[in-house]
Amino acid sequence: EAQVTQNPRYLITVTGKKLTVTCSQNMNHEYMSWYRQDPGLGLRQIYYSMNVEVTDKGDVPEGYKVSRKEKRNFPLILESPSPNQTSLYFCASSYVAPGLTGELFFGEGSRLTVL
Amino acid sequence: GENVEQHPSTLSVQEGDSAVIKCTYSDSASNYFPWYKQELGKRPQLIIDIRSNVGEKKDQRIAVTLNKTAKHFSLHITETQPEDSAVYFCAAKWSGTSYGKLTFGQGTILTVHP
Repeated sequence: EAQVTQNPRYLITVTGKKLTVTCSQNMNHEYMSWYRQDPGLGLRQIYYSMNVEVTDKGDVPEGYKVSRKEKRNFPLILESPSPNQTSLYFCASSYVAPGLTGELFFGEGSRLTVL
Repeated sequence: GENVEQHPSTLSVQEGDSAVIKCTYSDSASNYFPWYKQELGKRPQLIIDIRSNVGEKKDQRIAVTLNKTAKHFSLHITETQPEDSAVYFCAAKWSGTSYGKLTFGQGTILTVHP
């Protein structure tokens, strides 16, 4: 089954405790991206990756890191989480960059709470 | 970069009525405009998209129109049904140097009353 898998789905942590949200896709997609969803603000892009070892900032990259060492995985790293990073996070992938072909497939989301 | 404004933030209609959601974008170089539907507690899913070389696209009860001159695009849902109730997001993809950036609007909560 084609899917984008995120883990953990739910996490409560404390300020400053490093955490990683994993994202894996099994569709051999080149493009992967992270979004955060906050009420009234929609989906805001954090980082995206056009292919292995190629990453770039989205609209709200501050406080986040990513890596793309393998095609299927695109982890989101919060080195020192703060309460303003409490949000619902979505990982997404598509065959190539959105608009060239196909659609963006989203994972089920990871709800993160930083105390 | 791109900025996308979406209106209205909430929309309530009776079953069978039409619903229209509008988005404006700032960068005239944007060339791809998808619409996503997010049901409660679920992930966003693509429902329709349009490219800048097309003015209108239809898929059964949904349609999207694009006005490049005015830099706005709209989602039209006809004969609405309760299962159309969801949050709808528009988005615009910038064709500039940051080729992978996809900017979303703030979302519209659509409620269809039986």
